[in-house]
Amino acid sequence: SYVLTQPPSVSVAPGKTARLTCGGNNIGIKTVHWYQQKPGHAPVLVIYYDTDRPSGIPERFSGSNSGDTATLTISRVEAGDEADYYCQVWDSSTDHRVFGGGTKLTVL
Amino acid sequence: EVQLVESGGGLVQPGGSLRLSCAASGFTFSSYSMNWVRQAPGKGLEWISYITSSSRTIYYADSVKGRFTISRDNAKNSLYLQMNSLRAEDTALYYCARPVAPNTNDGFDIWGQGTMVTVSS
Repeated sequence: SYVLTQPPSVSVAPGKTARLTCGGNNIGIKTVHWYQQKPGHAPVLVIYYDTDRPSGIPERFSGSNSGDTATLTISRVEAGDEADYYCQVWDSSTDHRVFGGGTKLTVL
Repeated sequence: EVQLVESGGGLVQPGGSLRLSCAASGFTFSSYSMNWVRQAPGKGLEWISYITSSSRTIYYADSVKGRFTISRDNAKNSLYLQMNSLRAEDTALYYCARPVAPNTNDGFDIWGQGTMVTVSS
């Protein structure tokens, strides 16, 4: 089965840029979705189809995907961005949806 | 307002059964594929099942295949998850989730609030 690897934690100072990675074998040929989850809340889709932002998601959130790594970039990080972030793909070989293990973003 | 509301969670003994429901409103439920996703306490998200709008195609994660059954009633705007032979490791918050566009492999833009299932003796 397809495996997505995310670093358990990333720390960033307010106003700086956070880059959260999601590794997978040749993930660049798949489409990647990203979710933000705050404690006690359901996940929120922040990026879909690698780079698209749902309505209401700030332009500070952007995505890229190439080779074996997809990246969620959060510019001008704010305290309110502190959350767990998950990447997700559709594995066409099994038709299963797959989530990464998640990254906890800490705003220093 | 587009909304998903799960219900049916609770405490069940190992080996027992439970049926979860997800009531949809604010959109044309019959046009969308749907998914169940769970999250064990303190753990990450785990996709567990998918059903197309017509119920013609269904998929399960290996962890629940043969024990869980997904279904839907488009006339009632409802999604279901029948869970049998429950194990302690099935203890989790169960979410239903809808993709951005009908019957696609889009990300999930609509989630319910979740219903908690606890498997314990």
